[in-house]
Amino acid sequence: QKEVEQNSGPLSVPEGAIASLNCTYSDRVSQSFFWYRQYSGKSPELIMSIYSNGDKEDGRFTAQLNKASQYVSLLIRDSQPSDSATYLCAVNANTGNQFYFGTGTSLTVIP
Amino acid sequence: NAGVTQTPKFRILKIGQSMTLQCTQDMNHNYMYWYRQDPGMGLKLIYYSVGAGITDKGEVPNGYNVSRSTTEDFPLRLELAAPSQTSVYFCATLVSERNEQFFGPGTRLTVL
Repeated sequence: QKEVEQNSGPLSVPEGAIASLNCTYSDRVSQSFFWYRQYSGKSPELIMSIYSNGDKEDGRFTAQLNKASQYVSLLIRDSQPSDSATYLCAVNANTGNQFYFGTGTSLTVIP
Repeated sequence: NAGVTQTPKFRILKIGQSMTLQCTQDMNHNYMYWYRQDPGMGLKLIYYSVGAGITDKGEVPNGYNVSRSTTEDFPLRLELAAPSQTSVYFCATLVSERNEQFFGPGTRLTVL
């Protein structure tokens, strides 16, 4: 059973702060890692993908991957109320095959 | 939603009824997926397809069937609806070059 674990939250941060979201996974052969944002009643939207150890930055978002610790995180800098959503972590072992999702972390950014 | 359409948006079924959830993509992607999402939960893979004529089971296939006769369409069939199938169903495709999935808008299904 491949597992992807996330703290369900809710996580609350003030506007302008850094939000830190964490994810661990059980399958050591996982090669691709993804963060999705899901607004209430909407479909998941891909915001970051990361494949190599280290950091990957895209605007206010930074994904961090540590394969030895089987850990991937998402940092959101200068958090905005529009960032309030559920963030889903997903992993994949081989291109196109099964993707495994965590249960998501609910983030609220307080104005 | 990256060229992925799903119909219907909402549906209420009675126990034992059947229905087909439709998913269509216009991007000529080979990979397509069906997920269900229960309240407060992540996505669980039901079935996926790597191309026309090829399908495979995911984590939770029981109670569902799929077919993939064309690249564009990947319908999901519920034969005997049960309350446990009350969920939101998402179809997704894959941009193979980046191994990134994109989701349709979803179908909210209630079985009473």
